[in-house]
Amino acid sequence: AQSVTQLGSHVSVSEGALVLLRCNYSSSVPPYLFWYVQYPNQGLQLLLKYTTGATLVKGINGFEAEFKKSETSFHLTKPSAHMSDAAEYFCAVRPTGNQFYFGTGTSLTVIP
Amino acid sequence: GAGVSQSPSNKVTEKGKDVELRCDPISGHTALYWYRQSLGQGLEFLIYFQGNSAPDKSGLPSDRFSAERTGGSVSTLTIQRTQQEDSAVYLCASSADRSGYNEQFFGPGTRLTVL
Repeated sequence: AQSVTQLGSHVSVSEGALVLLRCNYSSSVPPYLFWYVQYPNQGLQLLLKYTTGATLVKGINGFEAEFKKSETSFHLTKPSAHMSDAAEYFCAVRPTGNQFYFGTGTSLTVIP
Repeated sequence: GAGVSQSPSNKVTEKGKDVELRCDPISGHTALYWYRQSLGQGLEFLIYFQGNSAPDKSGLPSDRFSAERTGGSVSTLTIQRTQQEDSAVYLCASSADRSGYNEQFFGPGTRLTVL
């Protein structure tokens, strides 16, 4: 069965500090990988995605993620947190077929 | 252009009643997904439509749940004889194709509360 694990349902960082949100997946085949962000009272929007090619992908708002096949991971990072980054972040995978599998989300709090 | 819209934004109903949730995808998007987001849970896949193909209903939790998509555009998710455990945010997303390469665009969701 496919699964997506996001370690840490809540992460707090100080403004200006490194943001690291972890995502591990189980998949029998290399999947497509996504990070979505959900700001308060808004719908989910795509931050970045990995499909093929370069394993380090850059997204909006200074976020990036690296696909590590050997570790089955797709961790999300940002060098310097901003107050506006406070949101819920979801990792998702699409192995094959129609289904996308989402993690349970990580709520990011940025402390001024 | 307009994004994915959903209506109503909030729905409060009594246990045992039927509800209908509507999704208007982005024009021209052939793929449409329904998800359920419960408190503290990730997004749970419910159903997937792609063009005129038979929908993938593998995520529907029970036969009380059904969905249709008319004319390849608007979709309606129906929950019959609602139960309290059906309370959740129901999200709709559309995508330009079935490949998964293109991102899903999400609507704002319908928050369903079953009393």
